[in-house]
Amino acid sequence: AQSVAQPEDQVNVAEGNPLTVKCTYSVSGNPYLFWYVQYPNRGLQFLLKYITGDNLVKGSYGFEAEFNKSQTSFHLKKPSALVSDSALYFCAVRVTSGTYKYIFGTGTRLKVLA
Amino acid sequence: EADIYQTPRYLVIGTGKKITLECSQTMGHDKMYWYQQDPGMELHLIHYSYGVNSTEKGDLSSESTVSRIRTEHFPLTLESARPSHTSQYLCASSETRGGLADTQYFGPGTRLTVL
Repeated sequence: AQSVAQPEDQVNVAEGNPLTVKCTYSVSGNPYLFWYVQYPNRGLQFLLKYITGDNLVKGSYGFEAEFNKSQTSFHLKKPSALVSDSALYFCAVRVTSGTYKYIFGTGTRLKVLA
Repeated sequence: EADIYQTPRYLVIGTGKKITLECSQTMGHDKMYWYQQDPGMELHLIHYSYGVNSTEKGDLSSESTVSRIRTEHFPLTLESARPSHTSQYLCASSETRGGLADTQYFGPGTRLTVL
């Protein structure tokens, strides 16, 4: 079965420090991987995606993610966290069985402390 | 911000009422989706559509129904609302081709409370 796991319910980091939000996946075939951010009472906003090519993907708001095929991971990173980065982050994978459905992780709440 | 709209943003209704949650997108995307999300929790796919007159049920069983008569419009209807339907409903769309293919764009959501 195809799945996405976000092992941390919450990540706390001090402002200015680097942050990492973890995501691992299990899919058949080549994965289409995504990161989204959700602010309170809002829909999800697209941050970045990996389809093919360079393993390091750069996205919006200074975020980047590293695709690691051997570890089946797609961790979200940022070199220097801002208080305004505090939000709920979702990793997602597109199901590759001939459909266009997506599986979302359970979400990780990022809290950046001033 | 993506051009995908949901109305109403907030809705409080009584049990047994019929409601329709509206979702429209102006990007010409062929695919549209409805997700149910309890606050701060994961998303569950309840319906999706690959194009006009194409609708499928998602992974989470839902008593709601959808229609796709026009490309830009994907309304969700509950014939008889119950307290168990209280949740946030997110609409999304994506396209098949181009540089942003497969990227889902989400509306702001409708927070539904059934009393």
